[in-house]
Amino acid sequence: QVQLQESGPGLVKPSETLSLTCTVSGGSISTYYCNWIRQPAGKGLEWIGRIYSSGSTNYNPSLKSRVTMSLDTSKNQFSLRLRSVTAADTAVYYCATGVAAPEFDSWGQGTLVTVPS
Amino acid sequence: QSVLTQPPSVSAAPGQRVTISCSGSTSNLGNSYVCWYQQLPGTAPKLLIFDNDKRPSGIPDRFSGSKSGTSATLGITGLQTGDEADYYCATWDSSLNPGGVVFGGGTKLTVL
Repeated sequence: QVQLQESGPGLVKPSETLSLTCTVSGGSISTYYCNWIRQPAGKGLEWIGRIYSSGSTNYNPSLKSRVTMSLDTSKNQFSLRLRSVTAADTAVYYCATGVAAPEFDSWGQGTLVTVPS
Repeated sequence: QSVLTQPPSVSAAPGQRVTISCSGSTSNLGNSYVCWYQQLPGTAPKLLIFDNDKRPSGIPDRFSGSKSGTSATLGITGLQTGDEADYYCATWDSSLNPGGVVFGGGTKLTVL
């Protein structure tokens, strides 16, 4: 297993873009699917999407129009951008890796992103 | 409303056995492996079961998984107070164009 750490602003204004980065240590992101998952307070898990080392992506259809994922193999990082956020995007955002979906064997600790209403 | 259906809560006494169900359809559980995750309060989810019934290294054999058709089940034997957590099933859904991961709504386990 690798270690993952999310970073980014904890507060994003409505209509702006949420940007998060996941830094991976203990293994190369080139060998994993890199995923973003979120969880609103008191609610369940929602898969946002994934990116592979080839650059190929899969996004949740409900978020696809607003999501972009990218990766930087030189820094062993991958990133999430979510545009035009609203209060409904307030959640704990997790990055997670695995060799195949839906198997996520390593998770970050999660980072709370708040979008005020 | 989640694509995969789980009971909101289950409970049992310490030492007892409990099962958590996960129901889906042919586009998801019917054609893909299921994974189970345990989320202790205030922590990130942890992989418990993958490929329907396999346990990652370090997961005790008190936890087991099975799948039949469009349903899956997580079993926990010898319940401990430390097992109190939310449990989620997850699988790949091919009806999402071009496919994506779906989670169950989660089941809160209470050890009485």
